[in-house]
Amino acid sequence: QVQMVQSGTEVKKPGASVKVSCKATGYSFSDYYIHWVRQAPGQRPEWMGLVNPSDGSVSHSQNFQGRITMTRDTSTNTVYMELSSLRSEDTAMYFCARGTRSGVGNTPLQHWGQGALVAVSS
Amino acid sequence: EIVLTQSPGTLSLSPGERATLSCRASRGISSNYLAWYQQKPGQAPRLLIYSASTRATGIPNRFSGSGSGTDFTLTISRLEPEDFAVYYCQHHNGSPLTFGGGTKVEIK
Repeated sequence: QVQMVQSGTEVKKPGASVKVSCKATGYSFSDYYIHWVRQAPGQRPEWMGLVNPSDGSVSHSQNFQGRITMTRDTSTNTVYMELSSLRSEDTAMYFCARGTRSGVGNTPLQHWGQGALVAVSS
Repeated sequence: EIVLTQSPGTLSLSPGERATLSCRASRGISSNYLAWYQQKPGQAPRLLIYSASTRATGIPNRFSGSGSGTDFTLTISRLEPEDFAVYYCQHHNGSPLTFGGGTKVEIK
């Protein structure tokens, strides 16, 4: 079965960077785009961006311009999301998610990781 | 960017009752690419409905979606105890994907 397993909790100071991983199993890794979504406490989910594991191409929300880097490692079926210049407002649960349809980015998100808590505090 | 507005913010109902949740988009969503998710505390969102009216795999038929253009509805025909949660709508029509503010369905 499809599983998305994420790395664990991170505690960072303002100005630092964080890198969250998401390992995909149970399907052909290259066939489905993987998205990153974050959710601050009590807030709606916020889409951050996506990566095409087939060729590594990415697309991201303008809200994270200049601060987000998304990569993939096809040898381990893992995608990574790095967010830099962290501030307290970046404290949130960070999820990776896979869509329902192969080969396209604009799909609903069916398979989710368990989430990785990133806490930013001085 | 498409802005999604959900109403009501909170719905207080009893088990067995019908729940009707609304999602309004700031502009028309092509191909009705609108999804609904359920989220319980400490969990990731769970996909219920996509393309406005298609149930995701394994979703009970008490959940149904309808609507088109800018106005969409999620209906839960008879609430089960496990249905009390927060529900979000989301468009999957193009970047950026956006989510509504959520409707909390709570036990009356």
